[in-house]
Amino acid sequence: DAKTTQPPSMDCAEGRAANLPCNHSTISGNEYVYWYRQIHSQGPQYIIHGLKNNETNEMASLIITEDRKSSTLILPHATLRDTAVYYCIVRVGKTNAGKSTFGDGTTLTVKP
Amino acid sequence: NAGVMQNPRHLVRRRGQEARLRCSPVKGHSHVYWYRQLPEEGLKFMVYLQKENIIDESGMPKERFSAEFPKEGPSILRIQQVVRGDSAAYFCASSTTSVVYNEQFFGPGTRLTVL
Repeated sequence: DAKTTQPPSMDCAEGRAANLPCNHSTISGNEYVYWYRQIHSQGPQYIIHGLKNNETNEMASLIITEDRKSSTLILPHATLRDTAVYYCIVRVGKTNAGKSTFGDGTTLTVKP
Repeated sequence: NAGVMQNPRHLVRRRGQEARLRCSPVKGHSHVYWYRQLPEEGLKFMVYLQKENIIDESGMPKERFSAEFPKEGPSILRIQQVVRGDSAAYFCASSTTSVVYNEQFFGPGTRLTVL
């Protein structure tokens, strides 16, 4: 699995957009980008994933650069409950690809 | 639909005892993954199982740790002769047999404390 690089921490004002970057310069053509978050030692929660195109769901948007070497997770209107550690993972899409390699993630703190 | 269930949520053991952690995947999921999270650290992969088969155990310590996912019933992570260093949160995840992508759903974890 490709290595990812994320800033260790970020702050965001409540109600503003939170933009979390991730570098994955060694990503392979068949690897997807997944984002998870972990709120205060709960189990990781799936947020969104993508391959090439930008993606949006009820939680967030994922912007993947054209060369796929980096991506940005966007929380459009951050709330205090979005304070968590956010993990960017790249992994082959097939189910039998198995493990996720979690890095240190980005600790996002949403402030009132 | 119930998500991934793990029990117990908290487990206390004395050094030398055995710990058994159970994971019931999302209904219909046939792939289970176990991860360990030591205090103040990220999640580390331990083992990946399909029904009755261990697919990847590259993250599993060579001794005292074992895992199974029987045809019927939950997946079990077993730690024999626990030591203080085994104190951690153990998370289970499950996924379906999708050929498109591999979204893993995580359980709430079991927090093991070894006295």
